[in-house]
Amino acid sequence: GAVVSQHPSRVICKSGTSVKIECRSLDFQATTMFWYRQFPKKSLMLMATSNEGSKATYEQGVEKDKFLINHASLTLSTLTVTSAHPEDSSFYICSADRQGVYEQYFGPGTRLTVT
Amino acid sequence: AQSVTQLGSHVSVSEGALVLLRCNYSSSVPPYLFWYVQYPNQGLQLLLKYTSAATLVKGINGFEAEFKKSETSFHLTKPSAHMSDAAEYFCAVSFDNNDMRFGAGTRLTVKP
Repeated sequence: GAVVSQHPSRVICKSGTSVKIECRSLDFQATTMFWYRQFPKKSLMLMATSNEGSKATYEQGVEKDKFLINHASLTLSTLTVTSAHPEDSSFYICSADRQGVYEQYFGPGTRLTVT
Repeated sequence: AQSVTQLGSHVSVSEGALVLLRCNYSSSVPPYLFWYVQYPNQGLQLLLKYTSAATLVKGINGFEAEFKKSETSFHLTKPSAHMSDAAEYFCAVSFDNNDMRFGAGTRLTVKP
């Protein structure tokens, strides 16, 4: 159990367009979901924490108007990269936690390439 | 604030040799500690976690880690490396589950 999926796994978009990435907890309800960004050969950088039904909490330096997060249900969070630019190209990973379990369950990641 | 430091961005061992990946943490309160493995273009897979129970934690794929409070360390070991162990390994610390911080990662190479 505790499977987290992401869709799409890879996406290529043109500069100026918006891209939506979905993160779903498939077999459990996630009270909190997290969005990370990973640059090549680098560690994960927490972008934001989202709780179902409330506004996401963004880490310092992350533009909330550029990276829109919606957590409409206990099994789905979405990250929308608005007006994407080549510097937004990265590997985006989501995770979800489960009440009472001290662990985050990670999705397989989404590779975003902005041309 | 909690943080982790992974000593050595790249570790290379021969197949069958001992694997030792180092992680030191900084936390003002008892931490939760994790080791994750990441294969290319994939997400993170949990190897093991320490949540204040036994200090020696056994994980998947033959890995284990020992929590040493006096040394603020949580080093990952495996007695005998396998070619399939080649990957990126991340140590992470969390006070509560809403704030997990990752180390910079250690790339493990296994030579035949």
